[in-house]
Amino acid sequence: SQELEQSPQSLIVQEGKNLTINCTSSKTLYGLYWYKQKYGEGLIFLMMLQKGGEEKSHEKITAKLDEKKQQSSLHITASQPSHAGIYLCGAVDRNSGYSTLTFGKGTMLLVSP
Amino acid sequence: NAGVMQNPRHLVRRRGQEARLRCSPMKGHSHVYWYRQLPEEGLKFMVYLQKENIIDESGMPKERFSAEFPKEGPSILRIQQVVRGDSAAYFCASSRELLTATNEKLFFGSGTQLSVL
Repeated sequence: SQELEQSPQSLIVQEGKNLTINCTSSKTLYGLYWYKQKYGEGLIFLMMLQKGGEEKSHEKITAKLDEKKQQSSLHITASQPSHAGIYLCGAVDRNSGYSTLTFGKGTMLLVSP
Repeated sequence: NAGVMQNPRHLVRRRGQEARLRCSPMKGHSHVYWYRQLPEEGLKFMVYLQKENIIDESGMPKERFSAEFPKEGPSILRIQQVVRGDSAAYFCASSRELLTATNEKLFFGSGTQLSVL
């Protein structure tokens, strides 16, 4: 199965600052998902990337999948307290006839006023 | 349209008791996935089920753990003779189709926090 490394493990930024979270795999990524988790709650889907070089944006969050399809980044512009939480990347694990998702350990983001 | 429903939200058990965690997938979803989350280990895949069938249980401990997704009713993750190391947050997710389908994604429940005393 895929092994994903996320960096940094945790991050504290001042409100209004930009930040980037990285997700790296030792294997080719056939699909990469970004989710956000608030403390004590489930995961909320943010974005999905499938093609090398693909870039998607939603509000102030942009995710990219690099050309070689082994790394993805999540960029937040002008961070707000509402962006605080744990960000997890998930990679598609292809098996015979089905797929599952393997997740990184997550990046905890705190946004200070 | 209700999301993925898990219950209970919190479950306290003494060592040796049984824990039953329930998951009702989103309406129209026939694929269910169970994950376990521990603070230092992240979110780990346990089992993938499709109505009445276990497709992949490679992440399930070999003993004491079992899962089912009957034709009628919710999916159940059952842990027999719980030990303190079973304390964790257990999340269920569902999808309508196989993940290999275009634009398919997992929808997660709010989880069950299991505490073993």
